[in-house]
Order: sequence, then structure tokens, then C-alpha cells
Amino acid sequence: AQKITQTQPGMFVQEKEAVTLDCTYDTSDPSYGLFWYKQPSSGEMIFLIYQGSYDQQNATEGRYSLNFQKARKSANLVISASQLGDSAMYFCAMRELRDDKIIFGKGTRLHILP
Amino acid sequence: SQTIHQWPATLVQPVGSPLSLECTVEGTSNPNLYWYRQAAGRGLQLLFYSVGIGQISSEVPQNLSASRPQDRQFILSSKKLLLSDSGFYLCAWNTVEAFFGQGTRLTVV
Repeated sequence: AQKITQTQPGMFVQEKEAVTLDCTYDTSDPSYGLFWYKQPSSGEMIFLIYQGSYDQQNATEGRYSLNFQKARKSANLVISASQLGDSAMYFCAMRELRDDKIIFGKGTRLHILP
Repeated sequence: SQTIHQWPATLVQPVGSPLSLECTVEGTSNPNLYWYRQAAGRGLQLLFYSVGIGQISSEVPQNLSASRPQDRQFILSSKKLLLSDSGFYLCAWNTVEAFFGQGTRLTVV
């Protein structure tokens, strides 16, 4: 069963607009972490943001914020004031602490339009 | 500071040839180590992960194997490559989040 679901294969957004990338997850482990990574065309994986399952507040890192809705098992990434350089693949991932596996979703390709 | 080295960056190998990709981590002890494969335009598939020397968990039955001969060394191998083994291979280690190597783009011809 797929544990990380990203339902948006591709998105086109106008520059300077806010973007929400969807991610839902499935786990029975009460202790887990959620991540978002950016992968530009170069292939490197760039860590963006982390949310722990026990964190009370939504994580924020600069223009990135994670909208964590635990009851819905949702961990959407919000990018404020999008820039052309935000065009890339974005992956949601989860780490279950019981076995330390890190599983990725299939990704969303984001295109920022000038 | 912690760094992760992965090599080679690109590799073209004939079908049936062996494979050895190496990943080493510096600046940390007893890291969790991971090998992922990414097909073109697709997501990351977890192949193997290791929580310690000699401890390897395989996620997907396949033509590949992994070994961890030293604490900070993780090796991905194959005795005979298949065309379907082509892809972008990424090594990673984690504390809280996962840090990735630069990847190896493998083309089997």
C-alpha cells in the first residue's frame, strides 16, 4: 500500500503567487517525521522542511511552510511568493521511527510562469 | 560538518556486466544509510537501507545487492546488470532529515 500520496503530477503557477503542494500519508506508527525535498533539473535533492509527528506548531523555513493536519494525515507544502527558481520536482517523504525507513511520494513537478 | 560522497557521477555499462557504486559519509558515526533509485521523471524508490554495519534491509526484490563493510560506507552492487537497472541512484544518510549524495546516473546499454 502506498504510504505517501502526492496527487498532483504537475502544476503551473504564476510568479509571485502562493503555491500549495499536496501530500497525504498513511502510518500506524505514532512517531514519524515528514519532509519535503526539492529536486531541480540537476538531480540533487535539496531538503526544504521537516515536521515531527509530535510538533505542535506547523514548521516554517523562510518562504516554505508545512500545513500539518494530523487527523487528516496531511502535510501540504506551501511556498509563498513563488519565484522562477522554484520550478522543480517536489517530493514529500515520511520516516517511521520504528524502522527508520524513509519513503517518498511520486513527486509534483512545479512550473513557475513569468 | 557532515558530508556524503557518492561516485561515479555517471556510468555507462553493458548488459551483463557487474556494478559497484560506493557511498561514504564523513563527520558522523553510525548513520542510517539508504540507497534509492529514480527512473526518469519518476519518484524515489527505496532499494536498501542499513542501520548498522552488516545490517541490510532490502525493500524490493531485484537484481541488486547492498553491503555495509564499514560504519560510514555503503555499497550497491550487481553481478549482472539488466537494461531495467538504468536510472538515477541516490545514496542518503539521516539524522532527522535525510542528506543525499549527488547521485549516479547509470545507463545500461
